[in-house]
Amino acid sequence: GENVEQHPSTLSVQEGDSAVIKCTYSDSASNYFPWYKQELGKRPQLIIDIRSNVGEKKDQRIAVTLNKTAKHFSLHITETQPEDSAVYFCAAGYSTLTFGKGTMLLVSP
Amino acid sequence: DADVTQTPRNRITKTGKRIMLECSQTKGHDRMYWYRQDPGLGLQLIYYSFDVKDINKGEISDGYSVSRQAQAKFSLSLESAIPNQTALYFCATSDPLAGGRNEQFFGPGTRLTVL
Repeated sequence: GENVEQHPSTLSVQEGDSAVIKCTYSDSASNYFPWYKQELGKRPQLIIDIRSNVGEKKDQRIAVTLNKTAKHFSLHITETQPEDSAVYFCAAGYSTLTFGKGTMLLVSP
Repeated sequence: DADVTQTPRNRITKTGKRIMLECSQTKGHDRMYWYRQDPGLGLQLIYYSFDVKDINKGEISDGYSVSRQAQAKFSLSLESAIPNQTALYFCATSDPLAGGRNEQFFGPGTRLTVL
């Protein structure tokens, strides 16, 4: 089955800095790569996703890149704000999703 | 708004008790999932169902069972709860016709404590 590795497990940045979270996957059949944000006590919510026929996707301050050959994908957040503080999960799959273990992002004012 | 709901939101029970967690959705999605979340371990898939007559085991199904009563309802049961099943449980849904995107929509979660 699919195996998703996510790094780092924690990330602390200053407000205004950029943050990068990286994930690798093992199953070349995976074709869908979403990123979820989970605030404390809340449900995970999709923030951006990418399909395997696209190498990069951007939505305002967040972007995702995908390298199918190397089987890795990354989340980039620019101009971080304190409200970006949360746990972020990557996932990979097609009919089902396998999630990474999460990255706790802390943005300090 | 169409949503995914879970009951109960919190439950404390004792070892050996049978517990049922319920999930309902008004999104009209065919696909439903049950996940378990433990600190530092992400979301692990317990069971999933692609329609009312389809039930599949996920990566950690031992000790759990499910029932898909209708398109909108998917229940998770712990036949004999044990302490290491203490966790946060999420139900999720997805629409297979969403243009190749398997975006999953999560319920608010059920926090289960087994003493």
